[in-house]
Amino acid sequence: GENVEQHPSTLSVQEGDSAVIKCTYSDSASNYFPWYKQELGKGPQLIIDIRSNVGEKKDQRIAVTLNKTAKHFSLHITETQPEDSAVYFCAATPYNQGGKLIFGQGTELSVKP
Amino acid sequence: KAGVTQTPRYLIKTRGQQVTLSCSPISGHRSVSWYQQTPGQGLQFLFEYFSETQRNKGNFPGRFSGRQFSNSRSEMNVSTLELGDSALYLCASSLGLGNTEAFFGQGTRLTVV
Repeated sequence: GENVEQHPSTLSVQEGDSAVIKCTYSDSASNYFPWYKQELGKGPQLIIDIRSNVGEKKDQRIAVTLNKTAKHFSLHITETQPEDSAVYFCAATPYNQGGKLIFGQGTELSVKP
Repeated sequence: KAGVTQTPRYLIKTRGQQVTLSCSPISGHRSVSWYQQTPGQGLQFLFEYFSETQRNKGNFPGRFSGRQFSNSRSEMNVSTLELGDSALYLCASSLGLGNTEAFFGQGTRLTVV
């Protein structure tokens, strides 16, 4: 079955710097890759997603890139702010199993003012 | 538009008991997925229901079961509770057609003593 690896597990940056979180997946047939942000005491919040027919997607300070050949995708956050501090999860949906998300282990991002 | 609602928010149960958790999806969403979140195992997929039918299933024992009603609301049941079942249980709703965005509720924190 699908397996998703996420790195790093913790990331500390200064306010205004960029942050990059990377994930690799094992099932080449997976075709949907969302990213979630989880703050303390809350459920995961969808922040951006990408489908396998697209190489890059951007939404204001957040961007995601996908390399299907290498089976990895990355989250890029520019001009980080203290409110970006949270745990970020990548996920993949195996082919033809819409509704099933396989999550990475999470990255705890800390943005220091 | 109301988000995903999970009830109750917190539960304390004794080992050996059973528990039922409830999830009301976003209006118009027909798919509800359930996840278990623990510090050690991260976010793990339990099962997904679409139009009252279980469409996908994760690798959890038969003590974990679910159902979905005609109004798309879903319940999850865990029988013969074990200490290791203590976790945050999250549900996510989506339109359910192909790979569409999944939105999570706040979760139910279950503690088994």
